[in-house]
Amino acid sequence: AQTVTQSQPEMSVQEAETVTLSCTYDTSESDYYLFWYKQPPSRQMILVIRQEAYKQQNATENRFSVNFQKAAKSFSLKISDSQLGDAAMYFCAYRSDNYGQNFVFGPGTRLSVLP
Amino acid sequence: EADIYQTPRYLVIGTGKKITLECSQTMGHDKMYWYQQDPGMELHLIHYSYGVNSTEKGDLSSESTVSRIRTEHFPLTLESARPSHTSQYLCASSGADKTGGFLYEQYFGPGTRLTVT
Repeated sequence: AQTVTQSQPEMSVQEAETVTLSCTYDTSESDYYLFWYKQPPSRQMILVIRQEAYKQQNATENRFSVNFQKAAKSFSLKISDSQLGDAAMYFCAYRSDNYGQNFVFGPGTRLSVLP
Repeated sequence: EADIYQTPRYLVIGTGKKITLECSQTMGHDKMYWYQQDPGMELHLIHYSYGVNSTEKGDLSSESTVSRIRTEHFPLTLESARPSHTSQYLCASSGADKTGGFLYEQYFGPGTRLTVT
């Protein structure tokens, strides 16, 4: 079974600085998808970024980018120019390319942004 | 634009009451999910469905039940609420939609925060 690990329960970053959140996963599959989700306090869970395992190029979405290392099974999220609105729980998630498999979520990292 | 609705958003109810948490999505996604989110914020899959009349239990044992009579609707029912059911419940959908598209990620509803006294 696949597992997703986020080794940093809490992180903090100064406003306008850069922070990297770590995620590692375990799988024997070669085709899969990886995601970072953001859940602000008392607000809806939203997708931040998605990476297809077959793509070598790292995904980017504005200030958010990933460092996808398939061989190392590592999928870190970099947030540049951190803003107060980035404060949230961040979940790393794995989805098999097998239609019958469910998503696997990591335990989350709570990010605080300091003014 | 994807939309998924959960009602009620907040519910405080006494022990022993029967409750139904509603979840509806407008995209026609074939897959739907219920997660329980504990105070530590970790997500636990309690039920999922791959289509109409298809429901399965998730990784976390739950005393709740679900039904999927219509594609867009996936309600969760607790026959007799207990304080241990106090939690946040998140509904999500993904997969093939009614336009022939496919959503690889899960799209989440706003959640229902349940408190059982």
